Amino acid sequence: DQQVKQNSPSLSVQEGRISILNCDYTNSMFDYFLWYKKYPAEGPTFLISISSIKDKNEDGRFTVFLNKSAKHLSLHIVPSQPGDSAVYFCAARTGANNLFFGTGTRLTVIP
Amino acid sequence: DVKVTQSSRYLVKRTGEKVFLECVQDMDHENMFWYRQDPGLGLRLIYFSYDVKMKEKGDIPEGYSVSREKKERFSLILESASTNQTSMYLCASSLTGLEYNEQFFGPGTRLTVL
Repeated sequence: DQQVKQNSPSLSVQEGRISILNCDYTNSMFDYFLWYKKYPAEGPTFLISISSIKDKNEDGRFTVFLNKSAKHLSLHIVPSQPGDSAVYFCAARTGANNLFFGTGTRLTVIP
Repeated sequence: DVKVTQSSRYLVKRTGEKVFLECVQDMDHENMFWYRQDPGLGLRLIYFSYDVKMKEKGDIPEGYSVSREKKERFSLILESASTNQTSMYLCASSLTGLEYNEQFFGPGTRLTVL
C-alpha cells in the first residue's frame, strides 16, 4: 500500500507564476520529509526537506509546508522558471534509513 | 561532492539472461539502495544494505538478489531476466543516523529485456 501519495501526475504553470506540488501520506510515524527533483536520464537530486517538528522550511525560491494534522505537505516554487521543468518526488522517512517515495509529479513551466 | 556511479546507462538483455548492475559510491556511506522507477509507480525499493555483506529486502525483491562484498560497491543481480523487469534502475547511498536524511542517487541504468 502506497504510504506516500502524489495525486497529480502532472502540472503546467506559466513562467514567473507559483508552482504548488502536493503530497499526502498515511503513516503518522514519518519524522522527516524530502523533495527530490529528477530530470530525464538522470538520477533524482535532493531539493529541500522538512522535519516533522516544523511546519515550514524555505530555501530560495523553494518552500515546503507541512500540515501534520492533515498528513499533507506541499512544495511551492516562486517564481517558476523553465529550468524547473522536471519530475518531483515527495519522500518520507520513519526514523530508520529508508525513504518511502511518492509516484511523482511532472512539472512543466511554460515560457 | 558525493558521487554515485552505475556501470551502464543503457543495457539490453534477452529473456533468461543473468544480468549484473553495478553501483559504486565514493563517500564511505554505510547504506546503499537499489530502486526501480516505472511510470505511474514512482521509485520502489528492491533491496538495501546497511553494511558490508548485509542486505534487507525492500518492497519488491522478487526476481532480484544483491551482493555487497565491499563498502563502496553494491550489485543488483537479475538471476533470469524477464520482460517485466524492463525498467529504470537507480542506485542510492546515504550515511547512517537520524541527522542524515538525504540519499544520493546515481544516474540510473535503463534496462530493456527482450
